[in-house]
Formats: sequence, structure tokens, C-alpha cells
Amino acid sequence: AQTVTQSQPEMSVQEAETVTLSCTYDTSESDYYLFWYKQPPSRQMILVIRQEAYKQQNATENRFSVNFQKAAKSFSLKISDSQLGDAAMYFCAYRAGVAGGTSYGKLTFGQGTILTVHP
Amino acid sequence: GAVVSQHPSRVICKSGTSVKIECRSLDFQATTMFWYRQFPKKSLMLMATSNEGSKATYEQGVEKDKFLINHASLTLSTLTVTSAHPEDSSFYICSARNLAASYNEQFFGPGTRLTVL
Repeated sequence: AQTVTQSQPEMSVQEAETVTLSCTYDTSESDYYLFWYKQPPSRQMILVIRQEAYKQQNATENRFSVNFQKAAKSFSLKISDSQLGDAAMYFCAYRAGVAGGTSYGKLTFGQGTILTVHP
Repeated sequence: GAVVSQHPSRVICKSGTSVKIECRSLDFQATTMFWYRQFPKKSLMLMATSNEGSKATYEQGVEKDKFLINHASLTLSTLTVTSAHPEDSSFYICSARNLAASYNEQFFGPGTRLTVL
């Protein structure tokens, strides 16, 4: 079974600074996707960024970028120029590809990291 | 963008009663929806996969007779918590997979907070 581990229960950052959230995962599959989701106090899950395992290039979405190390099974999220609105709980998630059979489409979440942004 | 709604957003019920939570995909059809449970400041735990027109697939440890799932149309899945007890109090979140979206992305509902007295 796939597992996702976020070893940082809480992180904090000063406004305008950069912070990196860590995530490691374990899988025997070669076809999969990785995601970072943000859950603000409203508890609405918001997709921040996704990475396809077959792509070597790290995904980037504006101030958010990932460092995807496939061999190390590591998938960290870097938030640049942090803003007060970035404060939330962040979840790393894994999803098997089509070859995953019955696991296809299922998301496995890490434990989450609570990010606090200080003004 | 794709929107998923949940109703109700909050519900309080007495122990022993049943509660139904609806999950709707508002602007796309979803053959597959997922139900998650989340405790405060904890992760989302997948409870079951809801498939339109067929039986739901439950994750290990989830009581199928307690958490009844019905996916009767391409836009609606319901989760019924039967004979609810205080330990069933939690935040329930659904998601719907949009096959027309990039990477068959899942879109999440806003969640339902269930409190069982």
C-alpha cells in the first residue's frame, strides 16, 4: 500500500519569506501523481500544485514550486514570498495512475502541516 | 471551474438517529465520487468510493452497514450515517472526479460537520 509522510506537524514563516514543506512517499508503482492541497480555516480543500511522476521537470505555479526527487521518493513544496493568505493546513497527496487498478483515482494523504504566516 | 456542493454544511442529531449527507457535482458529471472523514487538525481518511449505478467500495475498517452510500445519478452521491453515535461526530468531505478535467482531477466539496449528541 502507498504511504505518504509529512514529518513537519507545524511550520511558520515571516511574510514575504520563503518556506519549504516536506513530504516523502512510498510506492512500488511507476505511474502516479503527486499533489499538494491547501486547507484554510474554511476547510475547503484547494489544489495548489500537481506533479506527474513521469515528468522530470519540477512543477511551478506562480509562488509555489515543488522539488520532486523520484529516486528518493521526496516531494517538497516551496512557497516563495509568503502571504498571510497562505496560512493553512497543507496536505501532500499521492494518486496511482491507471495502471494502479482499483487504486486508480484514490488519493492517499499525508498527515498535514499547519503553516503559520507571521506579519 | 468545477464545483462540488455538500448539504447540509452542519448537522446536529441525537444518538440513534440517521443522518443523510448529499454531495453534488454542479457543473459536471461524476461517475465516481469519494467520501472522506477528517478529525480536527488531522488528515483526510478515505472511507469509500462511490460509483454511479453500482455498489460503493469501502475501505478496510469502514462499516458498510453504518455508512450507507448511494450514487443514484451522475451528479449526486449520498452518505447516510445510520444509528449515529457520538463517536461518529466528525467532518465529512466528498470529492467528485471530473473525467473531462486535466488529469481526471478530483474536486472537493466544502464538507459537512456532523455532531452527534
